[in-house]
Amino acid sequence: GQQVMQIPQYQHVQEGEDFTTYCNSSTTLSNIQWYKQRPGGHPVFLIQLVKSGEVKKQKRLTFQFGEAKKNSSLHITATQTTDVGTYFCAGGNNAGNMLTFGGGTRLMVKP
Amino acid sequence: DVKVTQSSRYLVKRTGEKVFLECVQDMDHENMFWYRQDPGLGLRLIYFSYDVKMKEKGDIPEGYSVSREKKERFSLILESASTNQTSMYLCASSFLLSGELQETQYFGPGTRLLVL
Repeated sequence: GQQVMQIPQYQHVQEGEDFTTYCNSSTTLSNIQWYKQRPGGHPVFLIQLVKSGEVKKQKRLTFQFGEAKKNSSLHITATQTTDVGTYFCAGGNNAGNMLTFGGGTRLMVKP
Repeated sequence: DVKVTQSSRYLVKRTGEKVFLECVQDMDHENMFWYRQDPGLGLRLIYFSYDVKMKEKGDIPEGYSVSREKKERFSLILESASTNQTSMYLCASSFLLSGELQETQYFGPGTRLLVL
């Protein structure tokens, strides 16, 4: 079945540094979604990418979908302590509304 | 505002007990999901339901069953709890946002289950 791998598993950064998490799928995706889970919280939807090579921005967050629609990345510029949490990518396919989640990248920001 | 609620935030059960986890959504969503979340493994799909009385197995259905008698309620059942079912259980329902290709998922607060 479809597998979605995410790296790194953990990342410590100093406040103000940039951060990137990478997501790779074993199969071509119809779309990729990103979720953020704050410590003690539940995953919250951030964004969905659909088109090959698509780039979307949300303030300091930049999301990319690869040309082959098998990988994606989330880049945060100048991290802040409010960025702390676990970021999950989730791959969708054309078989319905199921998502396959990556293992998540836990971001820790030192003030 | 979408609201997905789960019956308990924390639950402690003994091995062999039957455990019911309840999830309710108030947005008339058709699709509902149960995941378990374990460190390093992300969210793994246990079961999902696309309509009342309809269910599909996810990636790890063994040891679990589900029930969807009403559209707003999706229950996860552990017939005989075991220690390896100690985990965080997350329920979600999904909705197609305007302009999006696939439905996005709205999660409940989670139930942290400890099986002794």
